[in-house]
Amino acid sequence: EADIYQTPRYLVIGTGKKITLECSQTMGHDKMYWYQQDPGMELHLIHYSYGVNSTEKGDLSSESTVSRIRTEHFPLTLESARPSHTSQYLCASHGTSGPNEQFFGPGTRLTVL
Amino acid sequence: AQSVAQPEDQVNVAEGNPLTVKCTYSVSGNPYLFWYVQYPNRGLQFLLKYITGDNLVKGSYGFEAEFNKSQTSFHLKKPSALVSDSALYFCAVRDKGGGGNKLTFGTGTQLKVEL
Repeated sequence: EADIYQTPRYLVIGTGKKITLECSQTMGHDKMYWYQQDPGMELHLIHYSYGVNSTEKGDLSSESTVSRIRTEHFPLTLESARPSHTSQYLCASHGTSGPNEQFFGPGTRLTVL
Repeated sequence: AQSVAQPEDQVNVAEGNPLTVKCTYSVSGNPYLFWYVQYPNRGLQFLLKYITGDNLVKGSYGFEAEFNKSQTSFHLKKPSALVSDSALYFCAVRDKGGGGNKLTFGTGTQLKVEL
């Protein structure tokens, strides 16, 4: 079982609210990722980080933002949620050396009304 | 650029029968290949990976995959399917020579194992 955590697991909020999805890992991994996934569908990379103070946008454009102030923590923020943001958000990490697999958190299922 | 194709949206198999979930890839160099499984309302769980060496890779829960360079394929197999294997399966690729550390995932294949 991978030591990567996401909170909340489920979130239902109204349009216009600001939200932050939390992701933490205790493995000391320097590389972390956020994916967006509609139910039963493919994963789309929206943000990634290769270390503290390093963040990049992924392949899918997203209105969310991320920060990486500490190695273990990679939160994702939506300043003003909209129904189009309704989706599952998955966080992942992997270590520095070698072709290591990514470890995934359990996901946050977000519903914006 | 790197890409992955999973040509089957769904695979149905009877319990006890062998199963195959197909995956083909495209990279400019040599690939790192991965299989993940996702159960409902969960994150992805790592099953197995091909890095180098033996083309037949064994992974968790009795799954294995065969790397075929000439056919650019990495099909997932299991000799005898279980109902509990029913889940969504993702193939992923990373180019050894470039592209950073990002994985590219396929669109997923829903495996349904019936009694």
